[in-house]
Amino acid sequence: GESVGLHLPTLSVQEGDNSIINCAYSNSASDYFIWYKQESGKGPQFIIDIRSNMDKRQGQRVTVLLNKTVKHLSLQIAATQPGDSAVYFCAETFRMDTGRRALTFGSGTRLQVQP
Amino acid sequence: NAGVMQNPRHLVRRRGQEARLRCSPMKGHSHVYWYRQLPEEGLKFMVYLQKENIIDESGMPKERFSAEFPKEGPSILRIQQVVRGDSAAYFCASSPSDSVDSYNSPLHFGNGTRLTVT
Repeated sequence: GESVGLHLPTLSVQEGDNSIINCAYSNSASDYFIWYKQESGKGPQFIIDIRSNMDKRQGQRVTVLLNKTVKHLSLQIAATQPGDSAVYFCAETFRMDTGRRALTFGSGTRLQVQP
Repeated sequence: NAGVMQNPRHLVRRRGQEARLRCSPMKGHSHVYWYRQLPEEGLKFMVYLQKENIIDESGMPKERFSAEFPKEGPSILRIQQVVRGDSAAYFCASSPSDSVDSYNSPLHFGNGTRLTVT
């Protein structure tokens, strides 16, 4: 189940089950979204991205869903494996007043896969 | 093709000392971003640089922190007179262009420098 820890919310799933990690983004002007995976002691690793003109995009074992109406993003991982255990971050990009785009990370969700 | 290289991986400094963190972007990348991550938190943007130019430093503390990306050599994040609150993981990311303008060009991150201030 999902629980909110002291800092990072944690999602615990059984190996082989599907995982769904959710993210609420803040800026309605954001038009490009990215999911990153961060393993302990490592930097964020790109998983999958989606533009705002899409509502679903699939990769290998991963699917990203975008609901712009409620500013919600989700990452679905099929047949979760122990190697999927990590912290997952969503990131949004939007154009600032200066004209430059900014990339902002969400607070992250820790995925724990139980063997 | 080597990824983004950061060194050192771990850095211990006493309060008041200086910390210098280095980042070598991926080959062919001319844009560098620095992020800070506190334990159990997300990454916070600090600064965005191109070769010899600071483009956006809106996330950098006004004092003690500076960054550069010279024409030759790695990007450097410098923290003067470190305090315990500076203890964090500092990540560098690079892109071949202003990747946040380019779809399908997400940032590539290094494995970070973990700074501990004692």
